[in-house]
Amino acid sequence: EPEVTQTPSHQVTQMGQEVILRCVPISNHLYFYWYRQILGQKVEFLVSFYNNEISEKSEIFDDQFSVERPDGSNFTLKIRSTKLEDSAMYFCASSRLAGGPKTQYFGPGTRLLVL
Amino acid sequence: ELKVEQNPLFLSMQEGKNYTIYCNYSTTSDRLYWYRQDPGKSLESLFVLLSNGAVKQEGRLMASLDTKARLSTLHITAAVHDLSATYFCAVDPQLSGGGADGLTFGKGTHLIIQP
Repeated sequence: EPEVTQTPSHQVTQMGQEVILRCVPISNHLYFYWYRQILGQKVEFLVSFYNNEISEKSEIFDDQFSVERPDGSNFTLKIRSTKLEDSAMYFCASSRLAGGPKTQYFGPGTRLLVL
Repeated sequence: ELKVEQNPLFLSMQEGKNYTIYCNYSTTSDRLYWYRQDPGKSLESLFVLLSNGAVKQEGRLMASLDTKARLSTLHITAAVHDLSATYFCAVDPQLSGGGADGLTFGKGTHLIIQP
């Protein structure tokens, strides 16, 4: 069964460093998302992406964040200058075209620790 | 701002018992999802509820949606230990008319089922 994959599974970085989190969505999906989950808290929406542009973003997704689909398969989240409070699990998700259930299928996540 | 509230947030129950988790939300939507998360793992899609009165069942779990009351329930019948997990409801705000809307999650219900 197709699934969303993410790399790396864990990343440790120093405050102020740039990180890039990578995702490979399910191949026939056209909507892509990033969410984060701070330890023990709820899942929070960051950004959605469709047709090579941002569709929607939350207040969390400020200028230090960016997303890109550099090729036909990868979808990346870049954090330019990490802060301690960026430590969280970051989930990528994808869904099909509108008109169906639009279930978002989540990847296994990248655990980011900022020191 | 869409608010999604789940209760209870913590639930410890014995095997064989029945219980219901409630999910209230604050805005008009007829698209609600239930996810399961095991510790340290990703989110697994359980149910997609797409209309008022929708009811879905899978094994010992049954989910329903009342869009007029803005309420969804997840009912557990004759609980077994394997159902121990955190359960999240998530609401699609349907802002973009079929586009890539980010989901708003509840805080999750941490369910422990004891033998």
